Amino acid sequence: ETGVTQTPRHLVMGMTNKKSLKCEQHLGHNAMYWYKQSAKKPLELMFVYNFKEQTENNSVPSRFSPECPNSSHLFLHLHTLQPEDSALYLCASSHVGGSYEQYFGPGTRLTVT
Amino acid sequence: QKEVEQNSGPLSVPEGAIASLNCTYSDRGSQSFFWYRQYSGKSPELIMSIYSNGDKEDGRFTAQLNKASQYVSLLIRDSQPSDSATYLCAVNDNTGNQFYFGTGTSLTVIP
Repeated sequence: ETGVTQTPRHLVMGMTNKKSLKCEQHLGHNAMYWYKQSAKKPLELMFVYNFKEQTENNSVPSRFSPECPNSSHLFLHLHTLQPEDSALYLCASSHVGGSYEQYFGPGTRLTVT
Repeated sequence: QKEVEQNSGPLSVPEGAIASLNCTYSDRGSQSFFWYRQYSGKSPELIMSIYSNGDKEDGRFTAQLNKASQYVSLLIRDSQPSDSATYLCAVNDNTGNQFYFGTGTSLTVIP
């Protein structure tokens, strides 16, 4: 595997379900990010892990819970979501202290029914 | 609220022409600037990064940065139909903790 991978690519879940999104980066980066992309809106940065430590939580509802066990893996745990949470969820990684260039995974298309 | 502004478009150019995409940002502390290309249904793909005032060229792409005017642009020379996509501008303050994206400019290159 190369770059940034995400699973699953598509997810349909009910409002009472619990699911997790997984991200893995193979670039040797030290920071990982979760973004939400909704139609007609800018990319919204949700969570930042810098050297495995969460450094930013941009006022994200508690129904989204991130986990970063090491600098290569990132999870987003989902529970009791709302239909307005339906969006493309993107994972990215970068080298903080280096180029700061962010590389994105393919995304998970989430639909909440 | 730190903002990144882009014209949403759509911007249409004929094949072979120069496409010019513009972006302004509000945070004077911004240090790193990026252009991403996003095809419909796909994730953003990094195409250019620029860190200092002036021009940076990579193949058919040229990024231009003017920190005094808080302005960054992307020129695409010899535009191809495959360049048709949404182009996102992003800025970072070099903490690695906050990246701000514009809403993107939709570009269509007409054969």
